[in-house]
Amino acid sequence: DIVMTQSPDSLAVSLGERATINCKSSQSVLYNSNKKNYLAWYQQKSGQPPKLLIYWASTRQSGVPDRFSGSESETDFTLTISSLQAEDVAVYYCQQYYSTPWTFGQGTKVEIK
Amino acid sequence: VQLVESGGGLVKPGRSLRLSCTTSGFTFGDYAMSWFRQAPGKGLEWVGFIRNKAYGGTTEYAASVKGRFTISRDDSKSVAYLQMNSLTTEDTAVYYCTREFDYWGQGTLVTVSS
Repeated sequence: DIVMTQSPDSLAVSLGERATINCKSSQSVLYNSNKKNYLAWYQQKSGQPPKLLIYWASTRQSGVPDRFSGSESETDFTLTISSLQAEDVAVYYCQQYYSTPWTFGQGTKVEIK
Repeated sequence: VQLVESGGGLVKPGRSLRLSCTTSGFTFGDYAMSWFRQAPGKGLEWVGFIRNKAYGGTTEYAASVKGRFTISRDDSKSVAYLQMNSLTTEDTAVYYCTREFDYWGQGTLVTVSS
């Protein structure tokens, strides 16, 4: 199974400041035929289902604000919130869909400092 | 796009339960359908998925549920199902139905307890 490891487990950021969440996969999730990383990011607010933010590691889902961005470097992935808003308080998860079983990181809790 | 799970509730260990996922707003037959779960206070876990008919309608499962859970679909009704047998307390969770992995339902709580 591919193990996804997120860091940090939690972070507190001031409103308007940048938040950065890291995710590392235990093996490549790059599909050579299309050169895409099979990596998604989700946001889960308290009491709500997860919401897809990013897929293919860096493609923003329709309707997601452009302050959310994803980047990739081999087996290291980053979700960046460029200017944290109050409504961004949530737990964020990365997930690989390269191979089954699909696996998630443990989650990163983002709070306001 | 809407997905609505139903069928959750309290069930005793060893018993069975079937969840339904009723969908609308998209061409159901064009998509794989997945199930995920989240135990209370815990992270997300993939349960399994069923491919669409164009890809054989085949299924994949997490090791923790393989042999006990079965995913099926009725394209004529735009509904996906999760049949859960031999339930244990470890299966207690909110179960989410998703279109592949982009749209999620609100979830249905399954509590396995004596």
